[in-house]
Amino acid sequence: GQNIDQPTEMTATEGAIVQINCTYQTSGFNGLFWYQQHAGEAPTFLSYNVLDGLEEKGRFSSFLSRSKGYSYLLLKELQMKDSASYLCAVKDSNYQLIWGAGTKLIIKP
Amino acid sequence: SQTIHQWPATLVQPVGSPLSLECTVEGTSNPNLYWYRQAAGRGLQLLFYSVGIGQISSEVPQNLSASRPQDRQFILSSKKLLLSDSGFYLCAWSVLWEGASGANVLTFGAGSRLTVL
Repeated sequence: GQNIDQPTEMTATEGAIVQINCTYQTSGFNGLFWYQQHAGEAPTFLSYNVLDGLEEKGRFSSFLSRSKGYSYLLLKELQMKDSASYLCAVKDSNYQLIWGAGTKLIIKP
Repeated sequence: SQTIHQWPATLVQPVGSPLSLECTVEGTSNPNLYWYRQAAGRGLQLLFYSVGIGQISSEVPQNLSASRPQDRQFILSSKKLLLSDSGFYLCAWSVLWEGASGANVLTFGAGSRLTVL
């Protein structure tokens, strides 16, 4: 079967750095997405990786290793507004999106 | 600019009652449209997607149905709700996102929280 694994919950301190991991086992690979979802709201797109390596976008970076079936989202200089769930999703060989259950990130002052 | 509207935002319905959730997109033509359901602690589940008027693909067999009567309108319906239909329903459309290596990125509506009692 197809599977996306992410930690259920993480806690970090304002101003610090946090890394949210995502491992996947899918039938084929056509890209990996990270979305941010604040409580009670819709997900919003953060990043996309299709080739190995690091994609940087301001305070957020996303890394991909296709050979390891692994990605992480790195958040720097954490702010209280970064408290949210972070969803990892992989597009499989049929171009269908497989979603992880999300990682709830709690930021403490 | 493109926007997506989804309503109602919340609703509480008794078991066995009908359902209609509506989604409209503005500022684009012939979008790919999607209905997802999100249950607590689980990943987003694709229910239906549509690539054009009257073209609906169902991903999960259940008592829900979808229709696309107009190019930018997508409706999720049920004739008789079950308790298990409770959840957060999200409409989305996809667009090729410049700067994302040609990826189709989903843009979601605000969501509809359904509670079936």
